[in-house]
Amino acid sequence: GAVVSQHPSWVICKSGTSVKIECRSLDFQATTMFWYRQFPKQSLMLMATSNEGSKATYEQGVEKDKFLINHASLTLSTLTVTSAHPEDSSFYICSAPPGDRELSEQFFGPGTRLTVL
Amino acid sequence: AQSVAQPEDQVNVAEGNPLTVKCTYSVSGNPYLFWYVQYPNRGLQFLLKYITGDNLVKGSYGFEAEFNKSQTSFHLKKPSALVSDSALYFCAVRDGQDYGQNFVFGPGTRLSVLP
Repeated sequence: GAVVSQHPSWVICKSGTSVKIECRSLDFQATTMFWYRQFPKQSLMLMATSNEGSKATYEQGVEKDKFLINHASLTLSTLTVTSAHPEDSSFYICSAPPGDRELSEQFFGPGTRLTVL
Repeated sequence: AQSVAQPEDQVNVAEGNPLTVKCTYSVSGNPYLFWYVQYPNRGLQFLLKYITGDNLVKGSYGFEAEFNKSQTSFHLKKPSALVSDSALYFCAVRDGQDYGQNFVFGPGTRLSVLP
């Protein structure tokens, strides 16, 4: 099946620093990738849709200047958390739909746990 | 807009017994329905999906789910639970007419299989 990777798998940073998370589709091309955020014991909340070659689409309430998304190629999307603060600590998951857009179930990365001190 | 409800936060079942994890949905167009499982500190793993065809869908690891249009439900089932099935389960829905591919996830149900 299709594989999506994320790097790093976990990161600890100081408050005020920026953190970049990479999402890669390893064996397929993805014109669209999705970024989710998951708080402990809660469901996934869609943050934004990353579109190759164009601007990302952000969900309501998500600060686009805080969470910068760049879909640099058909296999790579990055999420940069700028000036991170402790409330940004969370589990970030990306996903991508491979193949037939009608029927694909989406493939998820393993997630990145961000801890901001 | 679509929505998903998983009425049970937690389901406990003894190993070897059948399990059911409930899911109901709301969508304006044709429902595309999915079940995913998440182990601690891991991403989501696909279990099964319903797009069209037979209402009973068989998926990975012996799981199956039944699409019930009249009850707008898509309950996940397994005839005989294993301790290793203990995890967090998410039901998700997509509007088949939404080519944006946006999934909406339910709140999740934690399954504990007791030895």
